[in-house]
Amino acid sequence: QSVLTQPPSVSGAPGQRVTISCTGSNSNLGAGYDVHWYQHLPGTAPNLLIFGDNNRPSGVPDRFSGSKSGSSASLAITGLQAEDEADYYCQSYDTSLRAYVFGTGTKVTVL
Amino acid sequence: QVELVESGGGAAQPGRSLRLSCAASGFSFSLYGMHWVRQAPGKGLEWVAIISSDSNNQDYGDAVKGRFTISRDDSKNTLYLQMNSLRADDTAVYYCAKEGCYNGVCSGHFDWWGQGTLVTVSS
Repeated sequence: QSVLTQPPSVSGAPGQRVTISCTGSNSNLGAGYDVHWYQHLPGTAPNLLIFGDNNRPSGVPDRFSGSKSGSSASLAITGLQAEDEADYYCQSYDTSLRAYVFGTGTKVTVL
Repeated sequence: QVELVESGGGAAQPGRSLRLSCAASGFSFSLYGMHWVRQAPGKGLEWVAIISSDSNNQDYGDAVKGRFTISRDDSKNTLYLQMNSLRADDTAVYYCAKEGCYNGVCSGHFDWWGQGTLVTVSS
């Protein structure tokens, strides 16, 4: 069972803004550990979107942005495009489990 | 360009063993920690194991502790995962992933991933 909780699905029309929440606890996000975000299309390699709470690797469009406050974090996608339809995962480290942990995953659907 | 290519997956019976390999190129392999992450059918991502850049430290997720061993051969730029006492719930796509570092600081993320190799455990 994952210690980072995400909504199972979010959807939006092309051009709209969607957000994905990631709720942790005081042994991971609340303890100050960074949150990171990945985009994953089935059958392909996951792709790093955001690292260190709000940093984008080179090549990731600025339509993707991240934020964190306390034990919660969120990923925002603005100007939603058909190619953004994928699964999205948050990830951090949990000091109680002594393990790297992923969120439950959110499927983004472009209507 | 960073490339990670996993191999060694396949079918195995419960209780048997498999060894996965991950061939790395496009970066200084010996300078980075490496991870294995898996995804069971219809499930989310699950962290499996980490090995430090100097091989002195390894750590494992609770589900595989005592059964799986992570190792590396820097002379071959290759990461391994020895999987013993396989169980049906080990069935998954296994990904190797490179430790992510920025401006010399590694913040616990995975910046490059392979395409994965499928392991199926069934009698």
